[in-house]
Amino acid sequence: DTAVSQTPKYLVTQMGNDKSIKCEQNLGHDTMYWYKQDSKKFLKIMFSYNNKELIINETVPNRFSPKSPDKAHLNLHINSLELGDSAVYFCASSQEVGSGGFSYEQYFGPGTRLTVT
Amino acid sequence: RKEVEQDPGPFNVPEGATVAFNCTYSNSASQSFFWYRQDCRKEPKLLMSVYSSGNEDGRFTAQLNRASQYISLLIRDSKLSDSATYLCVKDTGRRALTFGSGTRLQVQP
Repeated sequence: DTAVSQTPKYLVTQMGNDKSIKCEQNLGHDTMYWYKQDSKKFLKIMFSYNNKELIINETVPNRFSPKSPDKAHLNLHINSLELGDSAVYFCASSQEVGSGGFSYEQYFGPGTRLTVT
Repeated sequence: RKEVEQDPGPFNVPEGATVAFNCTYSNSASQSFFWYRQDCRKEPKLLMSVYSSGNEDGRFTAQLNRASQYISLLIRDSKLSDSATYLCVKDTGRRALTFGSGTRLQVQP
């Protein structure tokens, strides 16, 4: 079974459209993330959710809205897509270990390659 | 200045060679450091954590130098399967990681 899954794997769409990417993890982790990897391969955190609560929201345009219906899911909705949104989007999850400590091993999904034309 | 800086490479080495990557970081408050590996068109995967005392996992050795704010990864007896991009990573202290842009390694037969 895939630990962290994302759908779709490829997404090609036109500027101005609205699209969603779904992420699910079956590891029982309490924290989920969205990262963006641009054409220069630079991987950058966008959002982080812990137990369905938003804890990190980096300087991401408000066209991007994460939604966490439960601990196992973190979806990403993007409004009014722009050319610069073309990138690979990775979902990841991790589990807190101990009291206040973190297991930093983040498990990544296979990525969603978004192309905006 | 980027929080984590790496030489992008590529490092082209023959099989069996020893290769070392360095990475420098800013923000000395970071507590935890890691090396991740990313194969072409695949997701990143944790290779190993990095401790001040140094740690070894088979052919891989990682070292952290807090005084100079750099991290190193040494790969001995390189295999073809080691060809990948190696990402230097530090924690942000907010349950998230900051990734370097990666160093590409190509091991040649």
